[in-house]
Amino acid sequence: EVQLVQSGAEVKKPGESLKISCKGSGYSFTSYWIGWVRQMPGKGLEWMGIIYPGDSDTRYSPSFQGQVTISADKSISTAYLQWRSLKAADTAMYYCARHSSGWYSDFDYWGQGTLVTVSS
Amino acid sequence: QAVLTQPSSLSASPGASASLTCTLRSGINVGTYRIYWYQQKPGSPPQYLLRYTSDSDKQQGSGVPSRFSGSKDASANAGILLISGLQSEDEADYYCMIWHSSAWVFGGGTKLTVL
Repeated sequence: EVQLVQSGAEVKKPGESLKISCKGSGYSFTSYWIGWVRQMPGKGLEWMGIIYPGDSDTRYSPSFQGQVTISADKSISTAYLQWRSLKAADTAMYYCARHSSGWYSDFDYWGQGTLVTVSS
Repeated sequence: QAVLTQPSSLSASPGASASLTCTLRSGINVGTYRIYWYQQKPGSPPQYLLRYTSDSDKQQGSGVPSRFSGSKDASANAGILLISGLQSEDEADYYCMIWHSSAWVFGGGTKLTVL
């Protein structure tokens, strides 16, 4: 069974750093692109970027380029989303999702989401 | 103007059909785009429903009932998600998505109420 299991909710202060994770199982982790999607409270979905864990090829949305870092550790089948300095505006639910076949395809499996709250 | 525009809300009765639109910005021709549709219920991640490019290039998500279908309205420059035989469990937010200018773009979502 394909599963993407994300790390737990986080409460952080502005200026702090954060790295959340997404662990894949039940499939060949290195062979599928993984994406990250933001959903701010009460709002819609926003694509942040994708990574191919096989070679760490990464592509970012222009809206998030330079604001976050996407990475992966294929040895433990885990993708990451990282911030160096959080802002209150980063408060959101973050989902990882797998592309079904190549990056130009649907997101067929999703993680359960990680809620990040940034507040002083 | 947003790349993809969806009506914020739509109401329909159980057993009826609902047509959810996803309008592409002027200058972006719906004809060649793959349009993906997702359903999201409160407190849950989105779920993939289907992809529609044309009648000869479409894909239903795994386990998605056939009463969910896709189409396009070229005159309106829009993708359409049609849900027939509405059930109470179809009450959810629905998002369209396309690949445009080297990025995945989501529409703002439509909240479908079944009452």
